[in-house]
Amino acid sequence: GAGVSQSPSNKVTEKGKDVELRCDPISGHTALYWYRQSLGQGLEFLIYFQGNSAPDKSGLPSDRFSAERTGGSVSTLTIQRTQQEDSAVYLCASSLWGAPDTQYFGPGTRLTVL
Amino acid sequence: AQSVAQPEDQVNVAEGNPLTVKCTYSVSGNPYLFWYVQYPNRGLQFLLKYITGDNLVKGSYGFEAEFNKSQTSFHLKKPSALVSDSALYFCAVRDEGGATNKLIFGTGTLLAVQP
Repeated sequence: GAGVSQSPSNKVTEKGKDVELRCDPISGHTALYWYRQSLGQGLEFLIYFQGNSAPDKSGLPSDRFSAERTGGSVSTLTIQRTQQEDSAVYLCASSLWGAPDTQYFGPGTRLTVL
Repeated sequence: AQSVAQPEDQVNVAEGNPLTVKCTYSVSGNPYLFWYVQYPNRGLQFLLKYITGDNLVKGSYGFEAEFNKSQTSFHLKKPSALVSDSALYFCAVRDEGGATNKLIFGTGTLLAVQP
């Protein structure tokens, strides 16, 4: 079946611009996660959605970062006023409800801020 | 706080030889441990996980991992390496705090298999 998909695959933007990254989870998966993979920082958790519960935003690095999940499916990660340190690969993952379930990752969006 | 450590940045092995990629963990409760692989320019792929039960867990592509509670380790192993196994390997532990099922990742180990 279809896996997690993300778009765009690559995004180059200028410092100060806003960007939106999209994630389509596996159908039927109620849990959705965003992670960031950057040089020198490894993989870090950003935000978690589970059904209709309030998201866990504890990993968002600043208030320039936000995310929403509409209809319990597609999610959008928005970065406002991008900075060069935001350059990274942004990974989305989804899993079925019930811990500790396996998370399945999308291919990622490579963001480059010039 | 939960954490995992991958002590080796890179592991080199000849094709056909056994390989081991090391991981140690630190948790306060029961560990839920995972291994993921990342091929160049691709996302993370799930290999295997340990939740409970047998200490030897078998996963995808012929990989297995041994859970050792006394040594707090979860090393990834394969009896015979292939060149195509060359990739970046991540060990991860589920965060026990709160209701979030988020994963805490190690820093990754680059596996290079020489023909």
